[in-house]
Amino acid sequence: QKEVEQNSGPLSVPEGAIASLNCTYSDRGSQSFFWYRQYSGKSPELIMFIYSNGDKEDGRFTAQLNKASQYVSLLIRDSQPSDSATYLCAVNREADTGFQKLVFGTGTRLLVSP
Amino acid sequence: KAGVTQTPRYLIKTRGQQVTLSCSPISGHRSVSWYQQTPGQGLQFLFEYFSETQRNKGNFPGRFSGRQFSNSRSEMNVSTLELGDSALYLCASSLYRNNEQFFGPGTRLTVL
Repeated sequence: QKEVEQNSGPLSVPEGAIASLNCTYSDRGSQSFFWYRQYSGKSPELIMFIYSNGDKEDGRFTAQLNKASQYVSLLIRDSQPSDSATYLCAVNREADTGFQKLVFGTGTRLLVSP
Repeated sequence: KAGVTQTPRYLIKTRGQQVTLSCSPISGHRSVSWYQQTPGQGLQFLFEYFSETQRNKGNFPGRFSGRQFSNSRSEMNVSTLELGDSALYLCASSLYRNNEQFFGPGTRLTVL
């Protein structure tokens, strides 16, 4: 089992729809969770972070965290073609060294059609 | 505030050569992490440095090494390059509180 799992997609949604991206993680001790957006040929860009159970909204983006189910999701409302990118879920946990380590999923490719 | 910078942006080397990549973190950030990204393997963690000490290391051979300087700038070195080392090498910095990492633009390494 991978530490952070995401469906690779592509997830196709029409313009204006809600895109729902999901991520599960294996380490119950994980404390903080991040969503990155990566356009083709570019580096990942941090778009959301969440530390507590529940929802966190920022503009058209909502991150949802359920620690009991070890599940984190990202909702993108009013999806635009410019949202087409790969979305990486990252989970911060304690490594064997005792220090924090950020673990990334393989990403979900989102395609928003006009 | 300036973002994470990486130099060079592009590099072409031949098998057997060695390469050094440089990363300057966001001002005030003391943690620097390095990743390798390839189309087939996604984002693979190489190592992480904090206050000049390597704190975490990924599953890469000893040909991959790194260091961090007192000003938090970091370098990574790959010796005896192989074709499979062709990748985008990304550096990310953080304040280390919640490990909120910010990425640089990357160095694209091509090994011929």
